[in-house]
Amino acid sequence: AQKVTQAQTEISVVEKEDVTLDCVYETRDTTYYLFWYKQPPSGELVFLIRRNSFDEQNEISGRYSWNFQKSTSSFNFTITASQVVDSAVYFCALSGGSSNTGKLIFGQGTTLQVKP
Amino acid sequence: GAVVSQHPSWVICKSGTSVKIECRSLDFQATTMFWYRQFPKQSLMLMATSNEGSKATYEQGVEKDKFLINHASLTLSTLTVTSAHPEDSSFYICSASAGQTSGNTIYFGEGSWLTVV
Repeated sequence: AQKVTQAQTEISVVEKEDVTLDCVYETRDTTYYLFWYKQPPSGELVFLIRRNSFDEQNEISGRYSWNFQKSTSSFNFTITASQVVDSAVYFCALSGGSSNTGKLIFGQGTTLQVKP
Repeated sequence: GAVVSQHPSWVICKSGTSVKIECRSLDFQATTMFWYRQFPKQSLMLMATSNEGSKATYEQGVEKDKFLINHASLTLSTLTVTSAHPEDSSFYICSASAGQTSGNTIYFGEGSWLTVV
């Protein structure tokens, strides 16, 4: 069975602080994809990153960075120098296997509040 | 880039009526689309996989007679909530994969807020 766990329900930080959102996943597939999405109050899902299981390189995009560790089945997301506009719900998701790559299993989500 | 569009964005309907939500892939063909439901302050849960030209595949616990899915063309899937009740009020969002030629990129619609009164 596939599962994604985001243990942090809510995080509150002050602007300019760094914050890390944790994601732990379970899958028996050898090929899988991991995703992070941002969901503002309006509801739409904003795509942040997709990482396949064969690429363990960490990635940095501006203030965002991701740490993929297969050994611990984790795919953590760090926002450096957080801003108020980063306030949203963040979802980690998993898509497994080559035949169902469109079907996502989402974590519970982490609500990030960045205070000015 | 590829876009998936949902309509309507917001809908309010009376209890007992049916409401249809459309999901369109605007510049690519999608043989498979997915429908998710999200209750307030909860995660997104997959409801069903919509397959073009065939029956949808429903997740466990989702009533197929209540949530009718039709995928009659390669660019359109519809979700009809039949005999809606207040507990069906939720955020519904669809997604589509652009296929292997596009690296299996997944695109989400904007979502549809359903309120049943």
